[in-house]
Amino acid sequence: GESVGLHLPTLSVQEGDNSIINCAYSNSASDYFIWYKQESGKGPQFIIDIRSNMDKRQGQRVTVLLNKTVKHLSLQIAATQPGDSAVYFCAEKRRSGGSYIPTFGRGTSLIVHP
Amino acid sequence: GAGVSQSPSNKVTEKGKDVELRCDPISGHTALYWYRQRLGQGLEFLIYFQGNSAPDKSGLPSDRFSAERTGESVSTLTIQRTQQEDSAVYLCASSLALGAANTGELFFGEGSRLTVL
Repeated sequence: GESVGLHLPTLSVQEGDNSIINCAYSNSASDYFIWYKQESGKGPQFIIDIRSNMDKRQGQRVTVLLNKTVKHLSLQIAATQPGDSAVYFCAEKRRSGGSYIPTFGRGTSLIVHP
Repeated sequence: GAGVSQSPSNKVTEKGKDVELRCDPISGHTALYWYRQRLGQGLEFLIYFQGNSAPDKSGLPSDRFSAERTGESVSTLTIQRTQQEDSAVYLCASSLALGAANTGELFFGEGSRLTVL
């Protein structure tokens, strides 16, 4: 069936390092992907999104890469800071009947050590 | 505030009781979503409301779960005869309409943590 999943459930990095969080998706028809950050006890917050007609999109300290050939999505965080510690989810826009539902993967826990 | 508001933030109930969870979306957001998040897991879609269209209930896990929304305002998620496996954080999100051509971020509330004893 269709799914959005993550390769690594936990990623530990040192402060100042770059972080890469990966995500695999199986629905080749998906045309929009989003990354969310969820801090402990809070709801997910939007980080960055990308349409399927793009390979790369950059934000402030974050970059999302999309490889449609292998159906792979990654989130790169530059100069990771302790405040980046959170669970990161990728999501795809999935068609459900006449509507579009963001479908989330399991998430990757990013731990940043000072 | 201008964000999505959920209540209660925490709810402890006994098995077999009914619970109601409330969501106040951001004003002007026509789309409203409910998700369930079990401990250490991802977000499981439950139900989606878009304007006056029929809701997409494809994610509701059983007929014990139901939700209502009045127009483009408050939504209530009801769980009848709660079971221990219903224990989770229930997240509500709102957005502008998410259609075929447009995209848009979801704005989440902080969730309602439900514990069924």
